[in-house]
Amino acid sequence: EIVLTQSPGTLSLSPGERATLSCRATQSVSGSYLAWYQQKPGQAPRLLIYGASSRATGIPDRFSGSGSGTDFTLTISRLEPEDFAVYYCQQYGSSPPWTFGQGTKVEIK
Amino acid sequence: QVQLQESGPGLVKPSQTLSLTCTVSGGSISSGGYYWSWIRQHPEKGLECIGYIYYSGSTYYNPSLKSRVTISVDTSKNQFSLKLSSVTAADTAVYYCARGRTYYAPWGQGTLVTVSS
Repeated sequence: EIVLTQSPGTLSLSPGERATLSCRATQSVSGSYLAWYQQKPGQAPRLLIYGASSRATGIPDRFSGSGSGTDFTLTISRLEPEDFAVYYCQQYGSSPPWTFGQGTKVEIK
Repeated sequence: QVQLQESGPGLVKPSQTLSLTCTVSGGSISSGGYYWSWIRQHPEKGLECIGYIYYSGSTYYNPSLKSRVTISVDTSKNQFSLKLSSVTAADTAVYYCARGRTYYAPWGQGTLVTVSS
């Protein structure tokens, strides 16, 4: 089973700043089959990115994903007030069960 | 657009069976080639994939839960369901249904199930 480790655990930034979130896998994620989700308190996760770099429907272009192999990054180019939330990565590149990272919280500085 | 909604008891006694239903609206569960999944979120352990089903009835279960899980589909009601038997406190979590087999979108709002006597 692939274990995903996200860093940092918490990111304290101001609106307008750039956020860089990391997701590292214990083994290569085949096909770059990695997704990113955003979760706000009391809500379900929302798909942001799939296939490491493809934005889901309706996701603003300030969200971008990159990476391959074992290292992946989610970048939010300029933080909007509604972007403060917890972000999870998830791999679906090997045989199921798919696995999630433990999350990175982006909080207002 | 497609929306999902979980329903079922919020409190289950230890050793009993947890039963949840996901109702799909805005689209047919048997069209589009989609799979339908159950995912849970523990306060301490994070997000865990439970399993998924295709409208034909084909299923996959997480090996860690396989002996206790059954996922079924009722295309006439546009619903799919989760049963988890012999529950313990460790099964206390928010349970989500979602569309997809690999990545998931959209998700239901989630329902908290507490296992307690």
